[in-house]
Amino acid sequence: DQQVKQNSPSLSVQEGRISILNCDYTNSMFDYFLWYKKYPAEGPTFLISISSIKDKNEDGRFTVFLNKSAKHLSLHIVPSQPGDSAVYFCAASDGGGTSYGKLTFGQGTILTVHP
Amino acid sequence: EPEVTQTPSHQVTQMGQEVILRCVPISNHLYFYWYRQILGQKVEFLVSFYNNEISEKSEIFDDQFSVERPDGSNFTLKIRSTKLEDSAMYFCASNGQGNQPQHFGDGTRLSIL
Repeated sequence: DQQVKQNSPSLSVQEGRISILNCDYTNSMFDYFLWYKKYPAEGPTFLISISSIKDKNEDGRFTVFLNKSAKHLSLHIVPSQPGDSAVYFCAASDGGGTSYGKLTFGQGTILTVHP
Repeated sequence: EPEVTQTPSHQVTQMGQEVILRCVPISNHLYFYWYRQILGQKVEFLVSFYNNEISEKSEIFDDQFSVERPDGSNFTLKIRSTKLEDSAMYFCASNGQGNQPQHFGDGTRLSIL
């Protein structure tokens, strides 16, 4: 199942700089997108979401951008902090269709923020 | 902040045995989910549950799997006859409506010997 893809397995950035995590999807029925952060031995923690009727959503240091024509979304973290080091998952759902609530996940990107 | 809790954190079971994984979703949530993550692979959807019945299930969720909400707080996943390939992290999640962010528990690591 490659409907949601995160092509970068890892990303390393300096503290204070911007982190940009990318995600591509193929299913045009997806209309709700989420980013989760995961620390080892913990479950995914919800960060931010965006509906397909928007192209940007911002919450503090986190901004998600959605480009529907390219079927691409990205998560920007500014400024990055060492505590942001974790695995970041992109997820998508087809809320308006039959798969109400079911999330399809990407493979995850390991973000490391260096002091 | 309310959270989803899962027990046990680690379950070791002999192949062929039955196992029950337990979850307490956030109290006012109405939609419940199970996902699993095999080591090194993606988080995969197993089943969604609403109004005391399964809303959707994946191909993984075959006749060996079942879910139940035995009382007003618990949500369980039962695997009747475990196989080696059932070894994975199992995550429970819940939300208030189907198209709201799902909140996840910390998972149960299931090891089948």
